[in-house]
Amino acid sequence: DIQMTQSPSSLSASVGDRVTITCRASQSISSYLNWYQQKPGKAPKLLIYAASSLQSGVPSRFSGSGSGTDFTLTISSLQPEDFATYYCQQSYTAFTFGPGTKVDIK
Amino acid sequence: QVQLVQSGSELKKPGASVKVSCKASGYTFTSYAMNWVRQAPGQGLEWMGWINTNTGNPTYAQGFTGRFVFSLDTSVSTAYLQISSLKAEDTAVYYCAKSNYYDSSGYRIDYWGQGTLVTVSS
Repeated sequence: DIQMTQSPSSLSASVGDRVTITCRASQSISSYLNWYQQKPGKAPKLLIYAASSLQSGVPSRFSGSGSGTDFTLTISSLQPEDFATYYCQQSYTAFTFGPGTKVDIK
Repeated sequence: QVQLVQSGSELKKPGASVKVSCKASGYTFTSYAMNWVRQAPGQGLEWMGWINTNTGNPTYAQGFTGRFVFSLDTSVSTAYLQISSLKAEDTAVYYCAKSNYYDSSGYRIDYWGQGTLVTVSS
């Protein structure tokens, strides 16, 4: 099975900050990597698919990059509504989620 | 618009069974796979598996075989998750989630149900 790790597990940031979250797969997954945002008590929301494609309706401050085993999600200028937990997910073989990265207010 | 509407919260005793429903609307139900995802209190997302809504064939992730059953009623565009012999550690929010493909091999989950809280307690 493909295992996913994320770093950091949590971070504190201020509005306007540039935030980067890293996701690593235990084997190459090409670009079959998706990113989701989850707010407390809500279902996850798809942000990025195929490592770098922005899902329709998602603000352009979100971007993704990477291929193979190493991926990043970047929020260029953190907004108040972006405080949430972010999960990566591989879709190379079935689905596996990463453990999540919680972004909270500094 | 696409909607996945799940059944309400359940409180069950250990050893009992529960069946969670997920009614889809706004798209052709049999054209896209349905996934089930578990989230224990304060924990991350766990993919439980998926069901082919065209053939009814389920695929279960490791750790979700035996007591977990995915099923369909395509006449009412509804997917079901049944869990038997419930244990305290099954306490979680269960989500149904629709897959969508973006190329011949790439999939993403583009719509989610609102989640169903299943609490197992004596």
